[in-house]
Amino acid sequence: EAGVTQSPTHLIKTRGQQATLRCSPISGHTSVYWYQQALGLGLQFLLWYDEGEERNRGNFPPRFSGRQFPNYSSELNVNALELEDSALYLCASSLGQVAYNEQFFGPGTRLTVL
Amino acid sequence: QKEVEQDPGPLSVPEGAIVSLNCTYSNSAFQYFMWYRQYSRKGPELLMYTYSSGNKEDGRFTAQVDKSSKYISLFIRDSQPSDSATYLCAMSAKGDSNYQLIWGAGTKLIIKP
Repeated sequence: EAGVTQSPTHLIKTRGQQATLRCSPISGHTSVYWYQQALGLGLQFLLWYDEGEERNRGNFPPRFSGRQFPNYSSELNVNALELEDSALYLCASSLGQVAYNEQFFGPGTRLTVL
Repeated sequence: QKEVEQDPGPLSVPEGAIVSLNCTYSNSAFQYFMWYRQYSRKGPELLMYTYSSGNKEDGRFTAQVDKSSKYISLFIRDSQPSDSATYLCAMSAKGDSNYQLIWGAGTKLIIKP
């Protein structure tokens, strides 16, 4: 069974540009989560999509946005990039609203903002 | 104060030692407690989870939850160099966010051969 996939692996942008990151969940999973992992800060929750709807978002500015497509894949968009947006962006998927929230992670997209 | 506190380390121990990794938390509503392991350049993977208080054992790994102290632990027996990774604790409570996970910062563990 294929795991969570993310593309691209690495992304280099300059300040002010826009970045688009993509995620394909495990087949059958309806929930997709996005996290930012900056050095030494652990995982910071960004967004949660389930069944095509945004269910929750973390404490990030509106320039972080995304969507979930009918096939449950998802896209994270970061507008007006800032230097501090440089981080590993992780996508995870799960079966949705289960008793405990086991999330399966992809390998991440390393975003570097110059 | 963060909801979940975890010492980032690094924690360096010799092969074969018993390792103790810990997290403290402030939200008494947390019910589900998880440990994830993250190897370099990989996403985290679920190692163990426990519900409410008590111990859970899986091979060389034991997860322990003390809700009265708001403290969770992960013990690794007979540690191996392949256990070298970052270990993240995560926890959740049912609420409007439907079991959203709250994460610790992760502890980097180094097992020296």
